[in-house]
Amino acid sequence: DTGVSQDPRHKITKRGQNVTFRCDPISEHNRLYWYRQTLGQGPEFLTYFQNEAQLEKSRLLSDRFSAERPKGSFSTLEIQRTEQGDSAMYLCASGPRRGQRNTEAFFGQGTRLTVV
Amino acid sequence: GNSVTQMEGPVTLSEEAFLTINCTYTATGYPSLFWYVQYPGEGLQLLLKATKADDKGSNKGFEATYRKETTSFHLEKGSVQVSDSAVYFCAREGQGAQKLVFGQGTRLTINP
Repeated sequence: DTGVSQDPRHKITKRGQNVTFRCDPISEHNRLYWYRQTLGQGPEFLTYFQNEAQLEKSRLLSDRFSAERPKGSFSTLEIQRTEQGDSAMYLCASGPRRGQRNTEAFFGQGTRLTVV
Repeated sequence: GNSVTQMEGPVTLSEEAFLTINCTYTATGYPSLFWYVQYPGEGLQLLLKATKADDKGSNKGFEATYRKETTSFHLEKGSVQVSDSAVYFCAREGQGAQKLVFGQGTRLTINP
């Protein structure tokens, strides 16, 4: 297993455009998380899935943001009508292994979004 | 509230110096605590963790002890190397143990 994979690594978009990011978690993990990290700050929780069910969403996740995990494997995060304030690193994480307590998350390298 | 506060950076040390990065947290109950590290150009990696009071997490010469009396989880290393240069994040389990709450990160630079 190569770990959590995110695509693309970088995205530059014009304000008002829609963007979609993809995350492929570690295959034996049943939870998948999305975080956002702005410059000089720690990651902030956005949302998480257990299998295909989206169980929690942060207040940071405005109605322009939507996340899916249709088959309980990969996930997508879409941002509609992007704004400059959306510029950030979007991190995906997965964990734990099924049957284990949630005490650890494995992170991807992130997708850096720049809205110009 | 439920938050994590880290020592502000950047921190610059010489090789073989002693390192402490302070971390305190607020929480109801006793959440698991973590230190993550982000090396240049790489993703966040778990460095060490502690799941209950008085536990000591350790890895790669780094240590941190879960202190419930002082609600702290300070990161220490006796002799740092240039390769330890990175950004270090303290984190705690969020409410319901379904997510992580991170501190703002501390950038560490080790000079030869």
